[in-house]
Amino acid sequence: AQKVTQAQTEISVVEKEDVTLDCVYETRDTTYYLFWYKQPPSGELVFLIRRNSFDEQNEISGRYSWNFQKSTSSFNFTITASQVVDSAVYFCALSEYTGNQFYFGTGTSLTVIP
Amino acid sequence: DSGVTQTPKHLITATGQRVTLRCSPRSGDLSVYWYQQSLDQGLQFLIQYYNGEERAKGNILERFSAQQFPDLHSELNLSSLELGDSALYFCASSVGGEKNEQFFGPGTRLTVL
Repeated sequence: AQKVTQAQTEISVVEKEDVTLDCVYETRDTTYYLFWYKQPPSGELVFLIRRNSFDEQNEISGRYSWNFQKSTSSFNFTITASQVVDSAVYFCALSEYTGNQFYFGTGTSLTVIP
Repeated sequence: DSGVTQTPKHLITATGQRVTLRCSPRSGDLSVYWYQQSLDQGLQFLIQYYNGEERAKGNILERFSAQQFPDLHSELNLSSLELGDSALYFCASSVGGEKNEQFFGPGTRLTVL
């Protein structure tokens, strides 16, 4: 069965610290997509990244980086030099390669303390 | 602003009632997804439509139904409402197929009293 696990329910860090949000997934499919979304206090879900299962290259976008490891079924998200504006709930998600069916983790609530 | 619109923003109703939530996808997007977000169950995928046809079904109750119209907007109908249906309902859209980055609307907060 498809499943996404975000074991960290809540994390608090002090501003400028680095923080890693863990995501572990389960799927029987050999091809699939993984996503990260951010939900700030305003409530709207914001797309951050999509990674397909063929591409295990790590990605960096500014202070954000993602580490995809197929061998451990993990797609972890690191924020470097965290800022107060990073405070949000972050969701990891898995979808079929067809674009149908999405499975979201339960989210990690990140609080960055000034 | 994601380009996805949802109406209404807030809805308060009573148990046993029926409501309709509306979603307009981003221009050019053919796929629409509906999600329910509640405190105890997180973000649950309900149903997906692609160009008017149902493509995937998640944890959608039989009391709930949805459709996507020829102009691609979608409606989620919730009937025989129960207290436990109180939640934030999100709509998301994507181009479709492999181009499945989803862009979410602001959500409709439903309160059932």
